[in-house]
Parts: sequence; structure tokens; C-alpha cells
Amino acid sequence: DGGITQSPKYLFRKEGQNVTLSCEQNLNHDAMYWYRQDPGQGLRLIYYSQIVNDFQKGDIAEGYSVSREKKESFPLTVTSAQKNPTAFYLCASSILWNSYGYTFGSGTRLTVV
Amino acid sequence: EDKVVQSPLSLVVHEGDTVTLNCSYEVTNFRSLLWYKQEKKAPTFLFMLTSSGIEKKSGRLSSILDKKELFSILNITATQTGDSAVYLCGAAGGTSYGKLTFGQGTILTVHP
Repeated sequence: DGGITQSPKYLFRKEGQNVTLSCEQNLNHDAMYWYRQDPGQGLRLIYYSQIVNDFQKGDIAEGYSVSREKKESFPLTVTSAQKNPTAFYLCASSILWNSYGYTFGSGTRLTVV
Repeated sequence: EDKVVQSPLSLVVHEGDTVTLNCSYEVTNFRSLLWYKQEKKAPTFLFMLTSSGIEKKSGRLSSILDKKELFSILNITATQTGDSAVYLCGAAGGTSYGKLTFGQGTILTVHP
């Protein structure tokens, strides 16, 4: 079945450590996105990629980094520079950059301990 | 700055009730308004609205967009416990046309 796979589902990180969240899709979608979800704040865009080998900062990119070396993969690294990384992270994809019917992954819950 | 505001933030009803969820937006270069349902983890797509005044329906759910008032509503009739979820509204547009700006979400709880 086609879809988006995020791993791991739960992740614990010590302060000062970098951690990478995986996002893989087999939908042949061009565009991919990373959102952060905090209680009472909805989804906020971290980074997006319109096409392979290209990505752009979203609204809250500070302390995060991404790569898009393959069409199927869009990993997100949460660096030690992110001051409040504990959150639920959602990856999404769409057929094209301006087609808005996103398909979402099941998310990764990151907790800093 | 692009902005989407949903109301109410939470709502508790009993099975059989009808609910209306609200979404207002201020987005430059507005293209479309989308509704998603998030039950546990992954939001699932409900509706995409591009034209004003045209109602979209799917079973007990319906939605309409008012581009003059920058507003959309999501109606759920004869609610069931399975409708309990977070409902997210997203407005597409902004300086980057592909970007979706989401509201805070409405938490709907339906009691038996």
C-alpha cells in the first residue's frame, strides 16, 4: 500500500544531542513537508521541499535541518540549537507543490529528557 | 503574516447532535481552504474548497467557503462517537503558493 512512513514513533533525546527523524514515502509525490504540532497551536511548518534536491525554510526553521537527496526521503534533524524540541512532528507529501491534498504520516513524538 | 483561526477550540456534544466548526483566514494569494480530521496521529483529508458558496458534502459532513468574509464552516450532523477527533483547517496560499497555514484545531468530543 502507498503511504508515508515516519520512524520512530517515539523518541527520547538528551539535551544537547542532535536527533534525526525519518520520513519515507512511496507515493511518487514531488513535494514533502515537515510540520510541528504543539497543544493549542495547530500545525506549524518547519521545512518544505518542492522537488528532489531542493528545500526551503518554513515558518519555524530555526534549530532544524533537512535534506532531500532522494524523492522518497525527507529526513528532519533536530539540532541542539532548537530550544524547545519536545513536540509531535508530522511529515506530509503532495503530488505537486501546488496540489494541496496532503497525505500525512503517523508522526513522531519527540521528548527531551 | 498569514493567519488561520478556528473556533471553538473544543466542543463536547452527545450523539445525535449537530455541530458547526468555524475557520477564518487571512492569507495572501489565497488559493484553497482544506479541512482535515485527526483522530490519533495522521490527519486525514476531508474537503478542499476553492469556490465560494458551493457546498461540499460527504455523508454527514459538509463544508462551505465564503471568500468575501474569509470564512469556512464544517458541519457534522447526527454526530457519532467516531466523529471524536481534532478537526484542522488549513488555508493554502501565502507568498509560497504551495504552503498550507493551519489553525489551532478544534477538539470535538462526542459522548454516547
